[in-house]
Amino acid sequence: AQKVTQAQTEISVVEKEDVTLDCVYETRDTTYYLFWYKQPPSGELVFLIRRNSFDEQNEISGRYSWNFQKSTSSFNFTITASQVVDSAVYFCALSVGTSYDKVIFGPGTSLSVIP
Amino acid sequence: NAGVTQTPKFQVLKTGQSMTLQCAQDMNHEYMSWYRQDPGMGLRLIHYSVGAGITDQGEVPNGYNVSRSTTEDFPLRLLSAAPSQTSVYFCASSYSSRGIRETQYFGPGTRLLVL
Repeated sequence: AQKVTQAQTEISVVEKEDVTLDCVYETRDTTYYLFWYKQPPSGELVFLIRRNSFDEQNEISGRYSWNFQKSTSSFNFTITASQVVDSAVYFCALSVGTSYDKVIFGPGTSLSVIP
Repeated sequence: NAGVTQTPKFQVLKTGQSMTLQCAQDMNHEYMSWYRQDPGMGLRLIHYSVGAGITDQGEVPNGYNVSRSTTEDFPLRLLSAAPSQTSVYFCASSYSSRGIRETQYFGPGTRLLVL
């Protein structure tokens, strides 16, 4: 069975602090994709990143970085020098194999950045 | 491009009533899907479509019907609303579903309350 766990339900940080959001996934498939989405208070869902199971290279995009480790089945997301605009719910998601019906979202982590 | 649009933004129904949630995209995307978002549970896939005339069930299809007569539109029908269907519904689309996890673009959501 596939599963995505985001153990941190809510996180609060002070502006300019770094914060890491954890994502642990479970699957027996060797081909899978991992995603992060952001849901700001306005409610829309914004795609942040996609990573396939064959590419363990970490990625950095501005203040955002992602650490993919197959050995620990984790795909963690770090925000450096957090800003108030980063306040949102962040979802990690898993898509397995070639069947598109298997899209599993984690429960989300609510991040509050305090000025 | 308007992207993915959803109507209505908010709806209140009585138990047993029927309604259709509309979803349209103007990006000529093959793949469209419907999710529901409930507190603490992330998003769960209801139904999806890989092209006009083709639909399939996701994780939580019971109580919902879909059809895909055109590439642009993917309506979600509730035949007999139940309080358990109170949720926020998101429609999403992506360019292709053929084994490649393309970026999904989400609509703004429809908030449904069933009394």
